[in-house]
Amino acid sequence: NAGVTQTPKFRILKIGQSMTLQCTQDMNHNYMYWYRQDPGMGLKLIYYSVGAGITDKGEVPNGYNVSRSTTEDFPLRLELAAPSQTSVYFCASSYSGQGWYEQYFGPGTRLTVT
Amino acid sequence: KNEVEQSPQNLTAQEGEFITINCSYSVGISALHWLQQHPGGGIVSLFMLSSGKKKHGRLIATINIQEKHSSLHITASHPRDSAVYICAVRGGSQGNLIFGKGTKLSVKP
Repeated sequence: NAGVTQTPKFRILKIGQSMTLQCTQDMNHNYMYWYRQDPGMGLKLIYYSVGAGITDKGEVPNGYNVSRSTTEDFPLRLELAAPSQTSVYFCASSYSGQGWYEQYFGPGTRLTVT
Repeated sequence: KNEVEQSPQNLTAQEGEFITINCSYSVGISALHWLQQHPGGGIVSLFMLSSGKKKHGRLIATINIQEKHSSLHITASHPRDSAVYICAVRGGSQGNLIFGKGTKLSVKP
């Protein structure tokens, strides 16, 4: 199993551009998450999904959108990129949101907006 | 005040030393996670625990639910242990983790 994969690994965007960060998992996990990690800060939840067709906002959703058309894929869309969105983005998945289930993380996407 | 606090923020040790990283949290939780983030950026899960103590090789994690405190210990530290260690708690119904800021550990040979 590949686990959780993310593309691209690195990206530089100009202010106002748009892009989609891809996330795929092959573990048949129901729950998927997008986090961002800013220097010196803990990871913050952007959006999450509890299954195909169901998404909800996390702590820092502004400026982002998500969709979940399949169990495997959970893309994160940035519209009108801003310097404040410069960060490292991690996708994660778990079998369930309850109890004793490990979260598996992708390798991250380092995004710079200039 | 952050819901998950870690100490110290930075830690430098000599190879072979015993290391302790602390985590305090202020919310009700169903599980606490210790994660390791290597310089390349990838995050891996080390432990999940909701009570007592767990051991894996040279790593030991303990949790005191009443005091809302957990510790991660590394015995006989090695330069390859150099990484950022992150404490996270799972408390919400969404299943998302609430993260501490991490402890950057550097083990010198």
